[in-house]
Amino acid sequence: GDSVTQMEGPVTLSEEAFLTINCTYTATGYPSLFWYVQYPGEGLQLLLKATKADDKGSNKGFEATYRKETTSFHLEKGSVQVSDSAVYFCALKTQGGSEKLVFGKGTKLTVNP
Amino acid sequence: NAGVMQNPRHLVRRRGQEARLRCSPMKGHSHVYWYRQLPEEGLKFMVYLQKENIIDESGMPKERFSAEFPKEGPSILRIQQVVRGDSAAYFCASSPFQGGGTNEKLFFGSGTQLSVL
Repeated sequence: GDSVTQMEGPVTLSEEAFLTINCTYTATGYPSLFWYVQYPGEGLQLLLKATKADDKGSNKGFEATYRKETTSFHLEKGSVQVSDSAVYFCALKTQGGSEKLVFGKGTKLTVNP
Repeated sequence: NAGVMQNPRHLVRRRGQEARLRCSPMKGHSHVYWYRQLPEEGLKFMVYLQKENIIDESGMPKERFSAEFPKEGPSILRIQQVVRGDSAAYFCASSPFQGGGTNEKLFFGSGTQLSVL
């Protein structure tokens, strides 16, 4: 079945460091791919998305490129801030009208000043 | 416009008791999804409901779990005769659309943490 694999955390970085959180997927067809973020005490929020191969999603300085050849959707940010501390979830949604999202386990990021 | 409201935030039950988790979708949203996050796991889809209808319950355990979304009031996820393995975070999400497309209109609540003693 469909699945998402994320790099395990926790990840701890200093402010202004470069961030990469790896995400690979297994799915039939051509899924849409998402990154969600959960700040402490809040619900999951959509961070960025990509719906087809080679699409790049971007938001708040974060980027991820849909790589069909490597079935990956790695999240990157050039310079993290303390306010980026959160849990990040990679997710996919398959075609065919299904509303189900398939999530990775989440990666906790802590950014220290 | 208030977000998706889930209550309670934390729920403690003893084995064999019933747990009722509530989800009030955003105003104007008629589609509700429930997900469960077990410790060290990702969120897993449980059920998708529209007002007064269960559309997809393929992720619901066959026994003890039920969900409803009445015409009036919040969506309820009910777990009867809870066991320790039911301890998890339960998240609700709502959308105004059936086809979520790129999910810009899909909003999640903060979750209910269920602990079974």
